[in-house]
Amino acid sequence: QSALTQPASVSGSPGQSITISCTGTSSDVGHYNYVSWYQQHPGKAPKVIIYEVSNRPSGVPDRFSGSKSGDTAFLTISGLQAEDEADYYCGSYTPGTTKFAGGTKVTVL
Amino acid sequence: EVQLLESGGGLVQPGGSLRLSCAASGFAFSNYGMSWVRQAPGKGLEWVAAIDASGGATFHAGSVQGRFTISRDNSNDMLHLQMSSLRAEDTAIYYCAKEGKPMMVVTCFDYWGQGMLVTVSS
Repeated sequence: QSALTQPASVSGSPGQSITISCTGTSSDVGHYNYVSWYQQHPGKAPKVIIYEVSNRPSGVPDRFSGSKSGDTAFLTISGLQAEDEADYYCGSYTPGTTKFAGGTKVTVL
Repeated sequence: EVQLLESGGGLVQPGGSLRLSCAASGFAFSNYGMSWVRQAPGKGLEWVAAIDASGGATFHAGSVQGRFTISRDNSNDMLHLQMSSLRAEDTAIYYCAKEGKPMMVVTCFDYWGQGMLVTVSS
């Protein structure tokens, strides 16, 4: 089973908006609305910031938003802040498994 | 407060065995699917195994199929991962992760343990 695909790195200045793509196939991202996004700071465990494509858990700032089009999901961070510098991973459900992408390092310039 | 506390990691020789455990608290453990997810040093996340709420259904990634076995003890709120025939490429931080919704499996992980390092080396 192939993993999902994300860009290795994305950067932006404070206050800007950035978007990270997560490309799968019609068997995973394109077929199910169980796409999640996780934020991971160095030395810490991942934290879910988006689930079921576009839902934010309580406590996650509303500058984080998710969407999907066809086989690709997107995470947008609006109004980038210094504390958003981290690694971001998308994950997609397929029956009996979860696929993750390789991760995107977000740098705040 | 949901807490997941892993234990049992450490250094093991290639071909050896190790059993990881995850003590859960702060939620109705027997209502939720659970997973193990690992992260090799400097690498991304890799889902390893999952188990449904009752323990009646288990799922393993192809890379560990036949070598690792996930199990749970709902009477003691414990999740386990029995690892055997370990290889250098199994070296990673292993996280236990809670499913986001009751009775679901591998759709979303809303809580993660702090992680446990497993090093496979001679």
